[in-house]
Amino acid sequence: AQSVTQLGSHVSVSEGALVLLRCNYSSSVPPYLFWYVQYPNQGLQLLLKYTTGATLVKGINGFEAEFKKSETSFHLTKPSAHMSDAAEYFCAVSEGSNTGKLIFGQGTTLQVKP
Amino acid sequence: AAGVIQSPRHLIKEKRETATLKCYPIPRHDTVYWYQQGPGQDPQFLISFYEKMQSDKGSIPDRFSAQQFSDYHSELNMSSLELGDSALYFCASSPHQGGNTDTQYFGPGTRLTVL
Repeated sequence: AQSVTQLGSHVSVSEGALVLLRCNYSSSVPPYLFWYVQYPNQGLQLLLKYTTGATLVKGINGFEAEFKKSETSFHLTKPSAHMSDAAEYFCAVSEGSNTGKLIFGQGTTLQVKP
Repeated sequence: AAGVIQSPRHLIKEKRETATLKCYPIPRHDTVYWYQQGPGQDPQFLISFYEKMQSDKGSIPDRFSAQQFSDYHSELNMSSLELGDSALYFCASSPHQGGNTDTQYFGPGTRLTVL
């Protein structure tokens, strides 16, 4: 079975600093990986996804993630944090069946300090 | 652009009551997913439908049932509610069942509180 582990339930950065949110997965088949963001009392919004092809994926709001098969990782980065980036971030893998259900990590709360 | 619509947004029920949550997918999306997110938890997959047929099932209690209708909207029916059912229930839709790579678009969720 596939699973996702997000290292660090809370990450705090200063405004303008690098954001790095870690995600590792386990999968016996080529994974399809996603990052979603959740603002308070809102639904999940897709930031970016990796399916095939280029391993560096660019998403919305200046975020990007790199798929590293050898490290089974899909870390999310942003060069310069903005106050509006404060939210909960979920890494997810598409389960190996053909139905596309998502297996989520535990989530990382990003705090951005002024 | 149209988004996934869920109703109601908030619902308060007593133990042992029933609840019905509704989901209206993005137009021309024929696949619907339901997820449950407990307080401080990650979303857990409950059930999915493609073209009105159940396509996958997760850790959904037997007290819960769901269906997708001819207009592709979906309803999650929950009976004999328990305190532990208090959670945020998300619906997501995707354009077609290609499965793994299709982006799921999430609705704002229904917050169910069981007293």
